[in-house]
Amino acid sequence: AQTVTQSQPEMSVQEAETVTLSCTYDTSENNYYLFWYKQPPSRQMILVIRQEAYKQQNATENRFSVNFQKAAKSFSLKISDSQLGDTAMYFCAFMKQGAQKLVFGQGTRLTINP
Amino acid sequence: NAGVTQTPKFRILKIGQSMTLQCTQDMNHNYMYWYRQDPGMGLKLIYYSVGAGITDKGEVPNGYNVSRSTTEDFPLRLELAAPSQTSVYFCASSMTGSGANVLTFGAGSRLTVL
Repeated sequence: AQTVTQSQPEMSVQEAETVTLSCTYDTSENNYYLFWYKQPPSRQMILVIRQEAYKQQNATENRFSVNFQKAAKSFSLKISDSQLGDTAMYFCAFMKQGAQKLVFGQGTRLTINP
Repeated sequence: NAGVTQTPKFRILKIGQSMTLQCTQDMNHNYMYWYRQDPGMGLKLIYYSVGAGITDKGEVPNGYNVSRSTTEDFPLRLELAAPSQTSVYFCASSMTGSGANVLTFGAGSRLTVL
């Protein structure tokens, strides 16, 4: 069974700083997808970024980028120029190709301070 | 478009009562999912459906039932509510089960069993 581990329960940075959230996963699969979801206080789950395991190039979405290390089974999220609106729970998630389900990590609570 | 709509948003149940959480999507998605999120934890899959008339168990199905009579609706039934079912429930949908298709989540339903 796949597992996803987020080792940082909470993080806090000042506005405009860069922050990196860690995620490791355990799988014997070769084809899979990795995701970062954001959950603000409204509880809505919002997709931040997605990475296909077969792509070597790291995914980027505006201020959000990932460092995908397939051999190390590591998938960290970097938020550049952090904004107050980035304050949220962030979940790393894994989906095996064809599995029809996401496996989530425990989450990291990120606070951006003014 | 409304996306994924869940009702009710909040509910308090007494031990042993039953209730149904409603979920409707208007995106003509084939796949639908029910997740639960316990305090401080990531989401865990309860049940999912790959199309009308087809459902399957996820990680934590005990104490729940689902049905999928139409493409749009995927209700979650709680029988004989227990305190361990106190959680936030999320419904989600996607066009296919592939990680190439993003899940769209509802806003969540907070259930408390006393």
